[in-house]
Amino acid sequence: AQSVAQPEDQVNVAEGNPLTVKCTYSVSGNPYLFWYVQYPNRGLQFLLKYITGDNLVKGSYGFEAEFNKSQTSFHLKKPSALVSDSALYFCAVRDGRNTDKLIFGTGTRLQVFP
Amino acid sequence: DGGITQSPKYLFRKEGQNVTLSCEQNLNHDAMYWYRQDPGQGLRLIYYSQIVNDFQKGDIAEGYSVSREKKESFPLTVTSAQKNPTAFYLCASSPRTGAQHFGDGTRLSIL
Repeated sequence: AQSVAQPEDQVNVAEGNPLTVKCTYSVSGNPYLFWYVQYPNRGLQFLLKYITGDNLVKGSYGFEAEFNKSQTSFHLKKPSALVSDSALYFCAVRDGRNTDKLIFGTGTRLQVFP
Repeated sequence: DGGITQSPKYLFRKEGQNVTLSCEQNLNHDAMYWYRQDPGQGLRLIYYSQIVNDFQKGDIAEGYSVSREKKESFPLTVTSAQKNPTAFYLCASSPRTGAQHFGDGTRLSIL
């Protein structure tokens, strides 16, 4: 069965420092991986996805993610954090080959301090 | 602008009452989804529909029902059989093999 794990409930980082939000996955076959961000009382906003191709995927708002097949990881990164990046971040993986269903991680709360 | 509209933003349910949450999209997406979000948990799939007049149960379908009579609309009914309905409900849609797009949610509470 497909699954995704976000090992950190919360990540704290100072403004201007690089940030990393971790995600590991377990799939049979090639993974389709996604990152979303959620602000309070709002829906999820799509940041980026990996389907195939370059291991470094660039997305919205200066975020990028690195796909690592040997470590089965898809960590979200940003070179310089902003206070406005503080939000809840979800990693997701497609639930099989012939479906658009996603399996979501439990989320990581990112707190950026001024 | 294209997007997904969920209404109402806040909803209150009395004991023994069914309530219906609305979800409309004008993105021309084939697939639509309903999720439930509880504090400290990820999203759990309630129902999904990949095409009009067809839908499948997700992981937590008990106490919920849906219909998909039009491509644009995927309403969710929370029935009185759902004993713990207080949660944040999110609707999403997606094109084939594309990312899911989400509405801004409906927060359901019990009176």
